[in-house]
Order: sequence, then structure tokens, then C-alpha cells
Amino acid sequence: AQSVTQLGSHVSVSEGALVLLRCNYSSSVPPYLFWYVQYPNQGLQLLLKYTTGATLVKGINGFEAEFKKSETSFHLTKPSAHMSDAAEYFCAVSGGGKGNNRLAFGKGNQVVVIP
Amino acid sequence: ETGVTQTPRHLVMGMTNKKSLKCEQHLGHNAMYWYKQSAKKPLELMFVYSLEERVENNSVPSRFSPECPNSSHLFLHLHTLQPEDSALYLCASSQDLRGGGGYTFGSGTRLTVV
Repeated sequence: AQSVTQLGSHVSVSEGALVLLRCNYSSSVPPYLFWYVQYPNQGLQLLLKYTTGATLVKGINGFEAEFKKSETSFHLTKPSAHMSDAAEYFCAVSGGGKGNNRLAFGKGNQVVVIP
Repeated sequence: ETGVTQTPRHLVMGMTNKKSLKCEQHLGHNAMYWYKQSAKKPLELMFVYSLEERVENNSVPSRFSPECPNSSHLFLHLHTLQPEDSALYLCASSQDLRGGGGYTFGSGTRLTVV
């Protein structure tokens, strides 16, 4: 089974500062990893995903994440926060496309951007 | 129309009412999911369907009854709900159950039980 840990339910960042959201996963098989963003009263929107190949993945809205197998991590970053980045962010993992695998979601990080 | 569409967007119902939530996907996906998202709680997977067959029911009370008449449509029938059932109900779809491509979510139905 797969699982995800996201620490710190609320993250405050100043406008223009680095956004860093941490995600650590547990998986018994090579994982597929995802970051989703959710705006108020909306569904989850895929930001980026890692399946195979290049470990640095670029997504929408200037976000990127790096898969580090040795650290079992998939942290999400954005160099300069914008007010529109205020939302909730979820990390998710599945079991590498083998067998029946539900996406396992983290508890989410609520990002607040301070002007 | 593309993606996953959920209707209605908002629903207020009394505890004795019967209502249904609808989800439709136009992506040619074979798996569909119902999630419940309550304030300050993690996402809760309720039901999973693959090729119209229910493959997972995560101990959901019988007052929630899913239906999947074909691979494009998913319903959640609601009856005699409790106030604690108030939440955002999200529908999602995926190519198959292997999870490799991730899930595509609808915008959700905000349910309030009074």
C-alpha cells in the first residue's frame, strides 16, 4: 500500500517569496507521484505528475517538483509566490501503474499568501 | 464539453428528503470515484467503479447509494441524511484502476443537510 505525508496543514508565504511544500511518500513499488491544487469550492486540478524519466517535473502556474528516490520525497516549489497561489495543495501517490492502485492523498497544505 | 461535470453545484436538503448527485465524464475513462471532503478532514474515498461495476465500498452508510449505469455516468443517491453528511462531494475519473495517469476531478457538489 502507498501513503503520503504532508506536514503543516497551513503554510504562510509572502508574495514574491519561495513556495516550498513538502511531500514524503511510502511505496513498496516504484511510485507515480502527483500534486493537485484546489481553489475554494472547486475540485482538485492536476498541477504536475511524475511517472518515469526526468526526476524534475514542471507543471502549470510555474510550479515544479523533484522526485528524490533516496529521500522518498516529491517536494513542490515555486520561486516567487503570487496572490493567486492561495489554495490548498495535495500530494498523492499510486503504485507505479501496476495492478489496482488507488491514489493515496496527503492531508493537504492550505497556502496563504501575504501581500 | 470535456472533463468531468458534476450537478448540481450546490444542494440544500432536509434530513427526510431524497436527492441525487450526478457526475458525467467525457474523457473515455473506465473508472469513476466518489469522494467526500469535509472541513478539516482528509479526502475520504467512498466508492470506486470500474466498467460500471462497483469494486470498492469504503464502509459508507447505506443512506448513500451509488449507481453507475454506464462508464460515462455516475450517480450518488441520497436519503435520510444527517447534518454531519454536509460536505463537498467530489467525483473523479481515471483511465483505469492502475492509477498511472492520475484522476480528473469534477468541481464538486456542496451539500448542506438541514
